[in-house]
Amino acid sequence: EVKLVESGGGLVQPGRSLKLSCAASGFSFNDYWMGWVRQAPGKGLEWIGEINQDSSTINYTPSLKDKFTISRDNAQNTLYLQMSKLGSEDTAIYYCARFGWWGNYFDYWGQGVMVTVSS
Amino acid sequence: DVQMTQSPSYLAASPGESVSISCKASKSISTYLAWYQEKPGKANKLLIYSGSTLQSGTPSRFSGSGSGTDFTLTIRSLEPEDFTVYYCQHYNEYPPTFGAGTKLELK
Repeated sequence: EVKLVESGGGLVQPGRSLKLSCAASGFSFNDYWMGWVRQAPGKGLEWIGEINQDSSTINYTPSLKDKFTISRDNAQNTLYLQMSKLGSEDTAIYYCARFGWWGNYFDYWGQGVMVTVSS
Repeated sequence: DVQMTQSPSYLAASPGESVSISCKASKSISTYLAWYQEKPGKANKLLIYSGSTLQSGTPSRFSGSGSGTDFTLTIRSLEPEDFTVYYCQHYNEYPPTFGAGTKLELK
C-alpha cells in the first residue's frame, strides 16, 4: 500500500524557517517524481514544486521559488520541503504527493501537515 | 498562469441521482486535466487523469470528458460515499493549477 506521511509542521514565528518531511512507503520511492502542494485556510490548492528521481531537476512555482527548497533522500525514502522567511501567508496545510506516470498530476497524496505562522 | 474555474461551488443531490461538475480553463489545455476527490481525514484521491482516463480503483460510475477549455466530471448513480469535495487540476503548462473545488452535498 502506498503511504505518504508528512511531519514537521506546527506553530512557527514569522521570519523563521521550518523543514517538513514526507516519509514514503509501499512503492519504489526512487522511481518517482515527487511534489508538494499547499492549501491555505479557506483557499484553494496551490502547487509548490516538484523533484525528479535523482534530484537533478527541481521545479518551483515562480511566485514561490525564493521561499521553498525541495530535496529528497532516496536511501531514507523521504521527501523534504525547506521553508524560509515564513509569513502569515504561508499558514496552510502542506501536502506531499507522488507523480503519476503520464504527467504533472498526483496519483497519491499524503494527508497533509498544518503549518501555522504566528507570533 | 492558467485559471481553472469550477462550477458549481456547491451541489446538492440525492443518492441514486447523477451529477455533473464543470471545469473551465482560461486557455486550451488539450486533455491535460485531472480530477481529485477530497474527504476529511483522508488523503486526496486521484479519480481521473488525461481528461477521461479512470485511475485504477476509480469506480465506473465516475467519468470525465472534455478537451481544450471545457471539462466535465460526471458521477452516475450517486453512492453515499460520493458526497464530498472534488477538484480539477490542469497540467498542460507550468505551473499546474487547481480549480477552487465543488462540494457535493446530500439533498
